[in-house]
Amino acid sequence: AQTVTQSQPEMSVQEAETVTLSCTYDTSESDYYLFWYKQPPSRQMILVIRQEAYKQQNATENRFSVNFQKAAKSFSLKISDSQLGDAAMYFCAYQIYDGGSNYKLTFGKGTLLTVNP
Amino acid sequence: DAGVIQSPRHEVTEMGQEVTLRCKPISGHDYLFWYRQTMMRGLELLIYFNNNVPIDDSGMPEDRFSAKMPNASFSTLKIQPSEPRDSAVYFCASSSGTKGRNEQFFGPGTRLTVL
Repeated sequence: AQTVTQSQPEMSVQEAETVTLSCTYDTSESDYYLFWYKQPPSRQMILVIRQEAYKQQNATENRFSVNFQKAAKSFSLKISDSQLGDAAMYFCAYQIYDGGSNYKLTFGKGTLLTVNP
Repeated sequence: DAGVIQSPRHEVTEMGQEVTLRCKPISGHDYLFWYRQTMMRGLELLIYFNNNVPIDDSGMPEDRFSAKMPNASFSTLKIQPSEPRDSAVYFCASSSGTKGRNEQFFGPGTRLTVL
């Protein structure tokens, strides 16, 4: 079974600084997807960024970027120029694609990010 | 698009009562997922549908839980009878089955409290 581990239950960062959230996963598959979701206090789950395992290039979305290390099964999220609105719980998630009906998302336990003014 | 719509946003009920949670997926999406979020267990997948057909319900905790998808634009999750340990936030999510566009879009969730 696939597992996703976020080893940092809580992190804090100063506004305008950079922070990196860690995520590792366990899988024997070669084709899969990785995601970071953000859950602010409103509890809405918001997709931050996605990475296809077959792509070597790391995904970026504005101030958000990932460091995808496939051999190490590592998928960290870097937030640059942190803003107060980035404060939220961040979930790393793994999804397998088998070309058929297997679309399960497996989530990590989350990292609570605090942004200090 | 309006996104995934869930109702109600909050539900407070007493133990033993029937609870029905509702979800309208994004138009055109052919996958629908029900999740439960608790402090202890995090986010758990309960069941998911493809083209209105249940594909995997192995996450449904017990027979008190049931889910239906009578058409492409509506799904329900029912708990009967409800118990205090069912208190959680329940999310519905939908996605397209197209490879490369398979990210799941979540609704705002229903916070269920069973007294």
